[in-house]
Amino acid sequence: KAGVTQTPRYLIKTRGQQVTLSCSPISGHRSVSWYQQTPGQGLQFLFEYFSETQRNKGNFPGRFSGRQFSNSRSEMNVSTLELGDSALYLCASSEDPKNIQYFGAGTRLSVL
Amino acid sequence: GNSVTQMEGPVTLSEEAFLTINCTYTATGYPSLFWYVQYPGEGLQLLLKATKADDKGSNKGFEATYRKETTSFHLEKGSVQVSDSAVYFCALRRGTDKLIFGTGTRLQVFP
Repeated sequence: KAGVTQTPRYLIKTRGQQVTLSCSPISGHRSVSWYQQTPGQGLQFLFEYFSETQRNKGNFPGRFSGRQFSNSRSEMNVSTLELGDSALYLCASSEDPKNIQYFGAGTRLSVL
Repeated sequence: GNSVTQMEGPVTLSEEAFLTINCTYTATGYPSLFWYVQYPGEGLQLLLKATKADDKGSNKGFEATYRKETTSFHLEKGSVQVSDSAVYFCALRRGTDKLIFGTGTRLQVFP
């Protein structure tokens, strides 16, 4: 079974731009969570989607948003990028919210 | 609130040495506890887990025991290899809530 796939692997943007990251979960998994990883703040939870509904949200500003499609693929969007948004963004999928989360390799976003 | 505290790294060891990475947690109720490992340039991989007090998770020679009385979940391995060099994250989860991670501990193993 293929693992969690995140695209693209690397992105370079400039301040003020917006960006969309994609996550394809493991086949059969309906829950997708997103995390931001930075050297200063570590791993922080962004949001979780299950069956196209956001069921949990972390403490991030409204510039960070996400959605999930009927095939369980998920996207997250960051608008009006700031330098501090530079991070590794990790997606994790699970069969449902109570099961173990499996992580993708991440998308490394650099904001210049 | 719920939190995880890990020992500061890096932990530097010679091959075949004994490894302990300390992890303590603060949480109400009975969270599930996890160790994840991150190799350079990769995402997180689940290493082991425990879901209730006194459970022992084990995988690839690594072990950790859920100690409710000391609120700890220390990671141990009897004989580390160079290939174990990575960053190790302790995490907890209450029910279907989000995963809460520690800050990570970098392990460097030298031949």
